[in-house]
Amino acid sequence: QKEVEQDPGPLSVPEGAIVSLNCTYSNSAFQYFMWYRQYSRKGPELLMYTYSSGNKEDGRFTAQVDKSSKYISLFIRDSQPSDSATYLCAMNSGGYQKVTFGIGTKLQVIP
Amino acid sequence: GAVVSQHPSRVICKSGTSVKIECRSLDFQATTMFWYRQFPKQSLMLMATSNEGSKATYEQGVEKDKFLINHASLTLSTLTVTSAHPEDSSFYICSARDSGSGNEQFFGPGTRLTVL
Repeated sequence: QKEVEQDPGPLSVPEGAIVSLNCTYSNSAFQYFMWYRQYSRKGPELLMYTYSSGNKEDGRFTAQVDKSSKYISLFIRDSQPSDSATYLCAMNSGGYQKVTFGIGTKLQVIP
Repeated sequence: GAVVSQHPSRVICKSGTSVKIECRSLDFQATTMFWYRQFPKQSLMLMATSNEGSKATYEQGVEKDKFLINHASLTLSTLTVTSAHPEDSSFYICSARDSGSGNEQFFGPGTRLTVL
């Protein structure tokens, strides 16, 4: 079993839809959770960074962490074609420990 | 802020040659930088952790004599792929951790290496 599981998709949604992206993990020591956006042939861009359980909102993006279920989510409201990219979840136990990445979910927002 | 650059963005070389990739933190100091490799439709795989002024720490299965890492300053780390072979063709991405802040890693744009 991988430490971090993420559905690779692809996920196609119409413009304006609410997108839900998810990851599950097995290591209960993980406390820091990140979401990255990666456009084709580019490096990942940090979107959201959260610590422990709870919600964090930034513009159209909301990150949720449920440590009891070992489940994290990223919601994108009013999705735009420019949101089309691969979204990677990532996490570590903090203290400058190695970051473990999900495989990434490919999202396509159709105009 | 938190900009990381990589050079070159793309390189094509012949089998048996060596290739050097540079990773720079442009607006912050990074005592720690990371080198990842990403194959198509796969996640980022950490190759090594580069610490300024000391030897890099390599992940299991990564040959340290083949992938030479030098972190000579707080803003520059280099990865040299020695005696490259076609199976080394991949997307190499570096990231850097801001020494002055917390746990976040900021990624460079990546280097596409093709070995003929």
